[in-house]
Amino acid sequence: GQNIDQPTEMTATEGAIVQINCTYQTSGFNGLFWYQQHAGEAPTFLSYNVLDGLEEKGRFSSFLSRSKGYSYLLLKELQMKDSASYLCAVRAPSGGSYIPTFGRGTSLIVHP
Amino acid sequence: DSGVTQTPKHLITATGQRVTLRCSPRSGDLSVYWYQQSLDQGLQFLIQYYNGEERAKGNILERFSAQQFPDLHSELNLSSLELGDSALYFCASSPRTSGVSYEQYFGPGTRLTVT
Repeated sequence: GQNIDQPTEMTATEGAIVQINCTYQTSGFNGLFWYQQHAGEAPTFLSYNVLDGLEEKGRFSSFLSRSKGYSYLLLKELQMKDSASYLCAVRAPSGGSYIPTFGRGTSLIVHP
Repeated sequence: DSGVTQTPKHLITATGQRVTLRCSPRSGDLSVYWYQQSLDQGLQFLIQYYNGEERAKGNILERFSAQQFPDLHSELNLSSLELGDSALYFCASSPRTSGVSYEQYFGPGTRLTVT
C-alpha cells in the first residue's frame, strides 16, 4: 500500500521562510509532486521531483531524497496569498500503470 | 484558468439517484484523470483515461464508471448515490501519460451534495 504523511497545519509570518515536510512509504516510486490548493479551488501544480536533490522555481523549492522516502517544499519570502493547503503526491506503479497518491495536505497560515 | 472545464459546478441530488459529471480537457491534452475530494478522505485518485482508453484505476467504486469520448471529453457516472458520495469531484488533464513531466491541470471541480 501507499502511505504519505504531512503535518496537518503550519503557521508562519509574512516575509519568512517555511519548510513543509512529506514522508512516504510506497510500493515503487516514479516521482513526487507538490500542489497548492486554496480553499474551495482546484489544486495547482508547483513542482515535480523524480531524482534526488533540490529543484528551485522562484520563491518555491522542492527537495527529494528517495533513499529516505522524504521530500520538503520550501517557500521563501512568504506572502499572505501563500496561505493555502499544500499537497504532496507520489506517483507509483499499480496494475501495470502509474497512479498518484496524495497526502492529506498541510494547511499553511501566513500572518502579518 | 487552467483550460480544463467541468460541468455542472454544483449538483444537489437525492440518495439512490444517478448523475453524470462532464469534463473537457485542455486543448491538445490526451490524458484525463478523475479525483474525489472529501473532508475526511483528502484527494483520492479515481481513474485515468488516455486517448479514449482506460489507463489506470484507483479507488473507484463499482457504482462509479467513466469514459472518454473521441473528442477527448470525459464523463464520470455516479449511480445509486449515497450520502457519503458528497464531495468535490475534480477532473485534470495532462499532455501525455508518460515522459519527463506529469504536470496535471485541474478543472474547477463539481461539488456534489447527496441529500
